[in-house]
Amino acid sequence: AQTVTQSQPEMSVQEAETVTLSCTYDTSESDYYLFWYKQPPSRQMILVIRQEAYKQQNATENRFSVNFQKAAKSFSLKISDSQLGDAAMYFCAYRSGPSGTYKYIFGTGTRLKVLA
Amino acid sequence: SQTIHQWPATLVQPVGSPLSLECTVEGTSNPNLYWYRQAAGRGLQLLFYSVGIGQISSEVPQNLSASRPQDRQFILSSKKLLLSDSGFYLCAWNRVGDSKSRNIQYFGAGTRLSVL
Repeated sequence: AQTVTQSQPEMSVQEAETVTLSCTYDTSESDYYLFWYKQPPSRQMILVIRQEAYKQQNATENRFSVNFQKAAKSFSLKISDSQLGDAAMYFCAYRSGPSGTYKYIFGTGTRLKVLA
Repeated sequence: SQTIHQWPATLVQPVGSPLSLECTVEGTSNPNLYWYRQAAGRGLQLLFYSVGIGQISSEVPQNLSASRPQDRQFILSSKKLLLSDSGFYLCAWNRVGDSKSRNIQYFGAGTRLSVL
């Protein structure tokens, strides 16, 4: 069975600085998708970024980028120029590819604090 | 555009009372639908998912059940609530068939359930 591990329960970053959130996963599949979701205090889950496993190029979305290391099964999220609005819980998630199940597996989350 | 509605936003129920949480999706057809529970400070636990009307997969044995009476309607129910059913419940959907945005999960605003 697939697992997703976020080993950092909480992280802090100074406003305008860069922070990296870690995520590792375990799977025997070769085709899958990885996601980072943000959950602000409102608790609305918001997609931050998505990565397809077959793509070698790391995904980027404005100030958010990932470091996808398929062999190491690592999927970290880098937030550049951190803003106060980035403060939230961040969840890493895994989904099997088209031939797999429809289930999404989430990590336990990392709470990011942004210091003014 | 697609939207997901989840209600009620907050619910306080006595132990032993029934439960019905409703989720509807607009602007798409034949979505995959999901119910998650998030305990305080914890990650998301998948409870049920559905790939079509009347098709429900249960992930964990529990006091809850789910039904999908219509294509875009997903209901979470219980006949008798337990204290341990308290938590934050999230409904989610993902599109099937569109290569660009499929596999991205979109979440409702959640229901905070307190069982007293």
